[in-house]
Amino acid sequence: DAGVIQSPRHEVTEMGQEVTLRCKPISGHNSLFWYRQTMMRGLELLIYFNNNVPIDDSGMPEDRFSAKMPNASFSTLKIQPSEPRDSAVYFCASGWTSGIGEQFFGPGTRLTVL
Amino acid sequence: GENVEQHPSTLSVQEGDSAVIKCTYSDSASNYFPWYKQELGKRPQLIIDIRSNVGEKKDQRIAVTLNKTAKHFSLHITETQPEDSAVYFCAARGPQGGSEKLVFGKGTKLTVNP
Repeated sequence: DAGVIQSPRHEVTEMGQEVTLRCKPISGHNSLFWYRQTMMRGLELLIYFNNNVPIDDSGMPEDRFSAKMPNASFSTLKIQPSEPRDSAVYFCASGWTSGIGEQFFGPGTRLTVL
Repeated sequence: GENVEQHPSTLSVQEGDSAVIKCTYSDSASNYFPWYKQELGKRPQLIIDIRSNVGEKKDQRIAVTLNKTAKHFSLHITETQPEDSAVYFCAARGPQGGSEKLVFGKGTKLTVNP
């Protein structure tokens, strides 16, 4: 198994631009999680899905952030418009709801908003 | 909601010494407690976990202990090596059927000096 796949690995954009981050979970997993990691705030859960349905989006910072999971093998996190304070590493993780709870992280997308 | 506190934030030890990282959690219903290791520029990776029906678990040089009454759990690394240098995160998760989300501590940066 290739593990969780994220793209792009690095993204540099200018303030005001739209940014779309992509994630392919591990085949067979039915939970998907989006995290943001910064030095100041640590590892924060933004949103998670079970069986493609958003369950908890209380961590989404504001309306500029949105996430979708159209099918079991793909999810996107969109920021529109982007701001410099959105600069962070964004991780996607997947797991099983019926399992022990382990989450497998993707390699992350390092986002820099200028 | 769940809140996880982690201490210390930084820890420096000499190679061969032991290292202990401690976490406390607030939700007595939490029943799954993983520890993740994150090397510089890499993704968090699970190194050991424990469920609430177990008081201690060991895997070679690492061990985790759980005190449900006091709501705290600890990571113990013995015979530390330079490759143990990384940031370690503890996390807690509610019971199956409840929230699948992990709540992470702020992390401990461990440095093992040769």
